[in-house]
Amino acid sequence: KAGVTQTPRYLIKTRGQQVTLSCSPISGHRSVSWYQQTPGQGLQFLFEYFSETQRNKGNFPGRFSGRQFSNSRSEMNVSTLELGDSALYLCASRPPGEATEAFFGQGTRLTVV
Amino acid sequence: SQKIEQNSEALNIQEGKTATLTCNYTNYSPAYLQWYRQDPGRGPVFLLLIRENEKEKRKERLKVTFDTTLKQSLFHITASQPADSATYLCALRGSARQLTFGSGTQLTVLP
Repeated sequence: KAGVTQTPRYLIKTRGQQVTLSCSPISGHRSVSWYQQTPGQGLQFLFEYFSETQRNKGNFPGRFSGRQFSNSRSEMNVSTLELGDSALYLCASRPPGEATEAFFGQGTRLTVV
Repeated sequence: SQKIEQNSEALNIQEGKTATLTCNYTNYSPAYLQWYRQDPGRGPVFLLLIRENEKEKRKERLKVTFDTTLKQSLFHITASQPADSATYLCALRGSARQLTFGSGTQLTVLP
C-alpha cells in the first residue's frame, strides 16, 4: 500500500508570492491534516479535512488555506508569503475510527527568501 | 489553555541503558495518547497508542505508561541502541478533536 505522498519535496519562493502544496493520502483514508514544523515551534496544527469538509482549524492567519477533493487528496495554499513561513509542511492521513494513528508524508520543505 | 510538555528537549544516554522520556499534559481529558518517532527531515512515524483505561503498553523494546491522575505518560526504550537516536513526540487529541503534538525530546544514544 502506498504511503502518504507530498509534492513537491522542496520549494523556494520569494516573499509576497503564493504557494500550493499537495498531499495524496493513503487509499481509504478520508481524514487529512496539515502541520507546520519549525525548529522553534515544533509541530503546529494547521487544519484537518474530512470528506471535503474542514473539520478543525489551528491558530494560523487567513493566508493559510486548504481544501480536499472528492478523492481525499488535499492541497494547502499560503498567500503573500513571509520569511517566517519557511518551514517543513507535513501532511498526515488517518484511517476511519476514533483512536487511529496518523500516517505522515515526507513533508514539503518551503524556504521563503 | 491546553498544554503538552515533554520535559527534556534533549536526552543523552549510553548504549544498552534504558531511556525514559516524559510527557505531561494539562487541561486535557484524553481517551488515548500516542507516541511518534521523527528522524531529521522526515515525517513522524507512529510507535504506540495507549488508552486511558490501560496502565501500560509494550511493543518489543518499547514500553509506555499512562497515568491519567498524574496527567503523565512515560515512554521507555530498553537496551537502547544508537539507531534509536531520534526525536520522540507524544500526541493527544484535544477538545477540538485535532491531534496535538508536544515539542518532542531529542534522544541521542551514545555508543
